[in-house]
Amino acid sequence: NAGVTQTPKFRVLKTGQSMTLLCAQDMNHEYMYWYRQDPGMGLRLIHYSVGEGTTAKGEVPDGYNVSRLKKQNFLLGLESAAPSQTSVYFCASSLLSGGTDTQYFGPGTRLTVL
Amino acid sequence: TQLLEQSPQFLSIQEGENLTVYCNSSSVFSSLQWYRQEPGEGPVLLVTVVTGGEVKKLKRLTFQFGDARKDSSLHITAAQPGDTGLYLCAGVTWWSNTGKLIFGQGTTLQVKP
Repeated sequence: NAGVTQTPKFRVLKTGQSMTLLCAQDMNHEYMYWYRQDPGMGLRLIHYSVGEGTTAKGEVPDGYNVSRLKKQNFLLGLESAAPSQTSVYFCASSLLSGGTDTQYFGPGTRLTVL
Repeated sequence: TQLLEQSPQFLSIQEGENLTVYCNSSSVFSSLQWYRQEPGEGPVLLVTVVTGGEVKKLKRLTFQFGDARKDSSLHITAAQPGDTGLYLCAGVTWWSNTGKLIFGQGTTLQVKP
């Protein structure tokens, strides 16, 4: 089992460019999450999904969109990147709802927006 | 807004010393989790504490959940260089029937040999 994988590992964008981050899990988990991690701020939930075809907003959803067309994949999109979106992005998945079950995290994507 | 404050934010100690990391909030959480994160990797769950006053031990690590379920602590006995990393606490909150994690800012621990 690969667990949770994220693509790409690193990316540099210019302000206004768009990109999609891909998260894939091979554990047949229902729940998937996107977080961002900034220095001194811990991890903050951007969007999450409770199953295939569903998505919901987290704490900091502005400027991001997500899609969960397949159970194993959760995509995070930035339509028009801004320097404030420079961060490390983590995807996670869990079989049951977060808090009642272990969330498994991917290795992260380091994004720099110039 | 529910917040979790971790202290200290940075700790540098010698091998063999003991340390305690604190995680405090004004909000009540249904449970609380502790994670450890190494550079270039995602967080890995260490423990979940559920009941107020609960104490859990994981080898040299002792986790305690406050009686009122608003705070928690992580105590490491005889720290080793392999304990170096970022420690994160996360409170579980329920919202639209889905449990979500609210993370503290993290404590960076450096254990020198």
